[in-house]
Amino acid sequence: DIVMTQAPLSVSVTPGESASISCRSSKSLLHSNGITYVYWYLQKPGKSPQLLIYRMSNLASGVPDRFSGSGSETDFTLKISRVEAEDVGIYYCGQLLENPWTFGGGTKLELK
Amino acid sequence: EVQLVESGEGLVQPGSSMKLSCVASGFTFSNYGMNWIRQAPKKGLEWIALIYYDSSSKYYADSVKGRFTISRDNSKNTLYLEMNSLRSEDTAMYYCANVYYGFDYWGQGVMVTVSS
Repeated sequence: DIVMTQAPLSVSVTPGESASISCRSSKSLLHSNGITYVYWYLQKPGKSPQLLIYRMSNLASGVPDRFSGSGSETDFTLKISRVEAEDVGIYYCGQLLENPWTFGGGTKLELK
Repeated sequence: EVQLVESGEGLVQPGSSMKLSCVASGFTFSNYGMNWIRQAPKKGLEWIALIYYDSSSKYYADSVKGRFTISRDNSKNTLYLEMNSLRSEDTAMYYCANVYYGFDYWGQGVMVTVSS
């Protein structure tokens, strides 16, 4: 199984500042079709997860452009510019390259 | 508006069975692969089952293989998860989710508690 490892476990950010979350996969997520099958989700307190970024760098519908995704074949970053109160929650990376589909352990974002 | 509404929440004893349902609306259900994803209390996300749009293929996580069965009825826009031989470690919030770009839409989740 592909193991997804996130860092840090938690991050505390001043509103208006930026935050970055890292995710590493145990295997390259770059498919031969050129698509990198890494995804980012946000689970707000008491809510279901929501898709933020798909295929490493594509913004999901309705997601503010303060969110961006980047990376290589095994190392990925979610960046949140100008953090707002509504960004609080747990961020998960995940992979859809290979079954079983797997998620990272999550990174909790809090406000200072 | 896309909606996925799970039902079947409950408390059951170890070794028993339970069936979850997920009713979809707001999109063409029969065009999408569907999944069950669970989250144990205070834990992360665990994908457990996928069914193709036409039920032609089904995949399971090792943790539930042989005990859980995913199915769908496209005429009723409904996804199911039949769970047998339940264990305490199956205690979790269970979400249904479609898959297109990623897990695009999620239900609100239902809580399954396995305890004596």
